[in-house]
Amino acid sequence: EVQVLESGGGWVQPGGSLRLSCAASGFIFSNYAMNWVRQAPGKGLEWVSTIDNGDDRTYYADSVRGRFTVSRDNFKSTLFLQMNSLRDDDTAVYYCARGTPGTIFDYWGQGTLVTV
Amino acid sequence: AIQLTQSPSSLSASVGDRVIITCRASQGISGALAWYQQKPGKAPKFLIYNASSLHSGVPSRFSDSGSGTDFTLTISSLQTEDFATYYCQQFYSYPLTFGGGTKVQI
Repeated sequence: EVQVLESGGGWVQPGGSLRLSCAASGFIFSNYAMNWVRQAPGKGLEWVSTIDNGDDRTYYADSVRGRFTVSRDNFKSTLFLQMNSLRDDDTAVYYCARGTPGTIFDYWGQGTLVTV
Repeated sequence: AIQLTQSPSSLSASVGDRVIITCRASQGISGALAWYQQKPGKAPKFLIYNASSLHSGVPSRFSDSGSGTDFTLTISSLQTEDFATYYCQQFYSYPLTFGGGTKVQI
C-alpha cells in the first residue's frame, strides 16, 4: 500500500525556519517525482514544489522560490522541505504527494500544519 | 502562470443527480488536466485525468472530458459520499496550478 506521512510542522515566528519531512513506503521511492502542496486555512490548494526522480531537478512556486528548498533521500525514502524566512502567509497545511509522470498528485499524506 | 477557473464555485444537489463541474484554462493545455476530491479536514484524493483515466478505486460514475481550454468533471449519479469540494489541476507547465474549487453540497 502506498503511503506518505508528513512530519515536522508546528508554530514558528515570522522570519524563522522549519524543516518538513515526508516518509514514503509501499513503492520504489527513487522512481517517482515528489511534491509539496499547501492549503491555507479555509482556502484552496496551492502547489509549492516538485523534485524530479533521476536528476533531482527542482521546481518552485514564485511565492516560495529563494526561501524554500526541496530535497530527497532515496536511501531513506524521505522527502524534505526546508522553509526559511517564513512569513504569515506561509501558514497552511502542507501536504506531501507522490507524482506520476506529468506531475499528477496520485497519493497524498494527511498533511502537517505550519503556523507562522 | 496558467490560471484555472472553476464553475460553479458551489452547487446544491441531491442524491441521484447528475452533476457537471467545469474548469477553464487561461491558455491551451492540451489534455493535461486532473481532478481531485477533498472532504472537510481530509487530504485531497486524486480522481481522474486525461479523458476518463480513473485512479485506482474511483467509481465509474466519475468521468471527465475536454481538451485545450475547456474541461468538465461529471458525476453521473451523485452519492452521499460524493459531497465534497472538487479541484482541477493543470500539469501542462510549471508553475503547476489548481482551480479555486467547487463545493458540492446537499
